[in-house]
Amino acid sequence: DIVMTQSPDSLAVSLGERATINCKSSQSVLYSANNKNYLAWYQQKPGQPPKNLIYWASTRESGVPDRFSGSGSGTDFTLTISNLQAEDVAVYYCQQYYSSPITFGQGTRLEIK
Amino acid sequence: EVRLVESGGGLIQPGGSVRLSCEVSGFSVSRNFVSWVRQAPGKGLEWVSVIYTAGTKYYADSVKGRFTISEDNSENTVYLQMNSLRVEDTALYYCARGGGVASNLGNFDYWGQGTLVTVSS
Repeated sequence: DIVMTQSPDSLAVSLGERATINCKSSQSVLYSANNKNYLAWYQQKPGQPPKNLIYWASTRESGVPDRFSGSGSGTDFTLTISNLQAEDVAVYYCQQYYSSPITFGQGTRLEIK
Repeated sequence: EVRLVESGGGLIQPGGSVRLSCEVSGFSVSRNFVSWVRQAPGKGLEWVSVIYTAGTKYYADSVKGRFTISEDNSENTVYLQMNSLRVEDTALYYCARGGGVASNLGNFDYWGQGTLVTVSS
């Protein structure tokens, strides 16, 4: 199984500042035939289901603000939230869909400082 | 509009069974990947099972042999039959579109609100 490890487990960032969440996979999720990284990011607010923010490591889902961006390739990925807003308080998860079983990171809790 | 609505959860004794339903609107379950993903109280997300075209099914090792995923195309509904339940199966069970490993549909783009399964004596 591919193990997804996020860092940090939690972080507190001031409003208007930048938040950076890292995700490392135990093996590459880059498929060389199409040069795509099989990596997604989700946001989960209390009492709500997860919401898909990013897929293919860097493609934003429709309707997701451009404050959210994904980067990285192979085994190391980053979710960056610029100009942090109060509504961004949530737990964020990365997920690989390169190989079965699908696996998620343990989650990163983002709070306002 | 895409909607997924789960039902069927409740309090079940260890060793018991329950069947969860995921009623879908806005897309056809017969032409998409539909997965179950669970979340134990206060914990992270765990993929459980997926069903897709022609009834192909996959399961997490933790539920293999105990859970069965199925679909009713006429009702556009996906089911999860859960047998031999254990305390550690206690979780909020979500159905979601996606879960196709190594495909263009690997991410989960639509989710239901979840149904809670509590396994306890």
